[in-house]
Amino acid sequence: GNSVTQMEGPVTLSEEAFLTINCTYTATGYPSLFWYVQYPGEGLQLLLKATKADDKGSNKGFEATYRKETTSFHLEKGSVQVSDSAVYFCALSVPGANNLFFGTGTRLTVIP
Amino acid sequence: DSGVTQTPKHLITATGQRVTLRCSPRSGDLSVYWYQQSLDQGLQFLIQYYNGEERAKGNILERFSAQQFPDLHSELNLSSLELGDSALYFCASSLGPGQQETQYFGPGTRLLVL
Repeated sequence: GNSVTQMEGPVTLSEEAFLTINCTYTATGYPSLFWYVQYPGEGLQLLLKATKADDKGSNKGFEATYRKETTSFHLEKGSVQVSDSAVYFCALSVPGANNLFFGTGTRLTVIP
Repeated sequence: DSGVTQTPKHLITATGQRVTLRCSPRSGDLSVYWYQQSLDQGLQFLIQYYNGEERAKGNILERFSAQQFPDLHSELNLSSLELGDSALYFCASSLGPGQQETQYFGPGTRLLVL
C-alpha cells in the first residue's frame, strides 16, 4: 500500500540549531514527495516537493532529497528560527491515486 | 494566503444533525479535494472532484457526501453527525487532477459535535 512514516515528535530545538525530520515511505508506483507545514491555527502550506529520484526540493532554507534507494525524503534546515515552529507533514502521491497520503506530522518548537 | 477559501471557520452542532461545509478553489483550479484531520486518525483523504465530476474516493463515510458545482466551488455534507466526526476539515485545490500537481489548502473548518 501507500504510507508515510515520520519521526515522532515533538522536537524542541534552540534557535540556530540544525534540524532533521526523518520521513520514509512505501508506495505502489513511482511517487511524488512533498513536505507541508502547518502553522498554529492555519491550513497546510506546501513547503517543498520532489517528483523524481535524486531531485532536491528546497524553500526558505529547508531542503529534502528524494532517495529512491532508501525510500526516504528527510527534511533538513541548517539553522532554525523561532518562526519555524510549526507542525511538519511528509506526504506522497502516486499515479492513479491523485490524493495525498500524509504522515502523522512532527511538531517542531524552536526556543530563543 | 493560498487562495482557497472555506466557510464557515468554526461550526458547533449536536449529534444527529446535518451540516454543510463550503470550499472555493483557487482561481483557475479545476480539482478540489476534501481531507479530514483528527487527533486519532491524522490527515485522511475523503474525496476528490475534477471539473464537476467525482474523481476519487478515500475513507469517506456513507453519511458524508460532496459535490462540485459548475462554478467549481464544492460542498461537503455531513449528516447524522456523531461525536467522532469532530475534526478539522480541509479543502485543497489543484490545477489538474494529476499526481504531480501541487495541492493548495484552505484554512479549514473546525467542526465540533456535542
